[in-house]
Amino acid sequence: EAGVTQFPSHSVIEKGQTVTLRCDPISGHDNLYWYRRVMGKEIKFLLHFVKESKQDESGMPNNRFLAERTGGTYSTLKVQPAELEDSGVYFCASNRQGGEKLFFGSGTQLSVL
Amino acid sequence: GENVEQHPSTLSVQEGDSAVIKCTYSDSASNYFPWYKQELGKRPQLIIDIRSNVGEKKDQRIAVTLNKTAKHFSLHITETQPEDSAVYFCAAGNNAGNMLTFGGGTRLMVKP
Repeated sequence: EAGVTQFPSHSVIEKGQTVTLRCDPISGHDNLYWYRRVMGKEIKFLLHFVKESKQDESGMPNNRFLAERTGGTYSTLKVQPAELEDSGVYFCASNRQGGEKLFFGSGTQLSVL
Repeated sequence: GENVEQHPSTLSVQEGDSAVIKCTYSDSASNYFPWYKQELGKRPQLIIDIRSNVGEKKDQRIAVTLNKTAKHFSLHITETQPEDSAVYFCAAGNNAGNMLTFGGGTRLMVKP
């Protein structure tokens, strides 16, 4: 079974630019989550999709962040325009409906200069 | 909302010693408490979890204890080995896997 995959693994951009992160969950996993870890701090929840619907987006920092999951398969997280404080590791995770174990991707290390 | 505090932030032990990482949570509705291990450059992976109807769970060298009254839970690693070196995250949630709130992480270093 293929794991959760994220692309790119690293992204270095300048303040004001746009970046789009992609996550491919494990096939069959309806739940997809985005998390972020800012340097040395906790892994913080951003949002949760159930299939193509946003179940909970209470963790999204502001309207510069836009997440989509068209068709209920892969998801994208776009940051536009990026700010310095957006730097961190963005993790995607997925699991089945009612599933306990959360499967993480390897993360995207985003550096905004 | 839920708030999870994790201590210590770094922990250094000699190979063979035990390591204990502690977490507290604030929401009494939380009933699921997983622990994730993230090795350098790799993804976080679930190593053990516990539900609130259980006080302790053990899997070989790792164990987790839960005190619902005090709202704290701990990870215990016995006979530590260098490959246990990693960042460990505790988390709390009120539905399995959904909307987990994570602690700040503990960097464990096991010195040979």
